[in-house]
Amino acid sequence: DGGITQSPKYLFRKEGQNVTLSCEQNLNHDAMYWYRQDPGQGLRLIYYSQIVNDFQKGDIAEGYSVSREKKESFPLTVTSAQKNPTAFYLCASTLVSSGTYNEQFFGPGTRLTVL
Amino acid sequence: RKEVEQDPGPFNVPEGATVAFNCTYSNSASQSFFWYRQDCRKEPKLLMSVYSSGNEDGRFTAQLNRASQYISLLIRDSKLSDSATYLCVVNPNTGGFKTIFGAGTRLFVKA
Repeated sequence: DGGITQSPKYLFRKEGQNVTLSCEQNLNHDAMYWYRQDPGQGLRLIYYSQIVNDFQKGDIAEGYSVSREKKESFPLTVTSAQKNPTAFYLCASTLVSSGTYNEQFFGPGTRLTVL
Repeated sequence: RKEVEQDPGPFNVPEGATVAFNCTYSNSASQSFFWYRQDCRKEPKLLMSVYSSGNEDGRFTAQLNRASQYISLLIRDSKLSDSATYLCVVNPNTGGFKTIFGAGTRLFVKA
């Protein structure tokens, strides 16, 4: 089955620890995204990447880092510099075709809780 | 002004009702528009793309008004299963593929 996988589904972290959230897609999509969603709120863009080895900051990039070494993978690291990391993290991808923006497909998300 | 704003919710409607949501966007150069549905504690899923000519999919109709910079979603004959949060999504066409999500409008359909 083609799709986007995120792991783990639930993650607990102690204050001061860095954690890395995994996102893998086998849809052959070019662009990938990371969003954060807080309870009762919309999605806020953390980082996005249009091609391998390139990525751009979104609206709330502080305290986060990403890499895009492979087309299929876009891991997100939540660093200790992120002061309020407890949230629902969603990864998405989209196909880039002739400069047209297409819809995004989402993974099932990771719920991060800081203890 | 937020880049994308949606009707504040929640909307509480009886089964069979018709309900409409609006979403306004600030960047007149925006090119691509979508409605997503998100169930509680789940990921968003595409409901429909919004085309300039408007589009319909069963009980759902989406419209785009470029002059007034808003998109709308109409749900006819509401079902209990329509209860969810509806997200408006806009690509502001500022270069690249950044997207802006609205905060969402929560719909409760009651028997």
